[in-house]
Amino acid sequence: QQQVRQSPQSLTVWEGETTILNCSYEDSTFDYFPWYRQFPGKSPALLIAISLVSNKKEDGRFTIFFNKREKKLSLHITDSQPGDSATYFCAASDSGYNKLTFGKGTVLLVSP
Amino acid sequence: DMKVTQMPRYLIKRMGENVLLECGQDMSHETMYWYRQDPGLGLQLIYISYDVDSNSEGDIPKGYRVSRKKREHFSLILDSAKTNQTSVYFCASSKDRGNSGNTLYFGEGSRLIVV
Repeated sequence: QQQVRQSPQSLTVWEGETTILNCSYEDSTFDYFPWYRQFPGKSPALLIAISLVSNKKEDGRFTIFFNKREKKLSLHITDSQPGDSATYFCAASDSGYNKLTFGKGTVLLVSP
Repeated sequence: DMKVTQMPRYLIKRMGENVLLECGQDMSHETMYWYRQDPGLGLQLIYISYDVDSNSEGDIPKGYRVSRKKREHFSLILDSAKTNQTSVYFCASSKDRGNSGNTLYFGEGSRLIVV
């Protein structure tokens, strides 16, 4: 059972466009939702995260929008750059539990 | 310098051989993890270790075992490797129990090929 789902699987955008990556989850006990970014041949690294108490989290060109009622999140990347080309993982965890569950990832390609 | 180090980085083994992947961290983190990553499948949790000799199965523990005898060191062992264990294995660590708000720091990965 896949508890964290991401869409699309892959996405190509033009430089300067806004990229939207989607994530949904099933477990109502999840309360922390980090996004990790992985460049080709590298290891994942934390990009931005949001908790259940917030509806929005912004960090520069990256913003998470959170719809708790529908159990959906989206990561928006404004003014997308070729250097943003990477795989983006949405993840979720429960504060009473140690396990961080990852989605299958979205492969983003930003074309110049 | 916060770092998670994995050894070896690349490994080719024959089916049935034993495999030892090692991971070290210099941040005195309590919690350590082993994940495997396969194309299109994301990161799948194999084992979590909460501290020395305090390990717990993740989502796909079958065919693997772990050892943590020192806080800074966490090993993944494959007894009699199988071809379907060909993958990239990532070790990670986080500061303490409870994932909320805790950042996972990943090693560079160990690419294992079982032939």
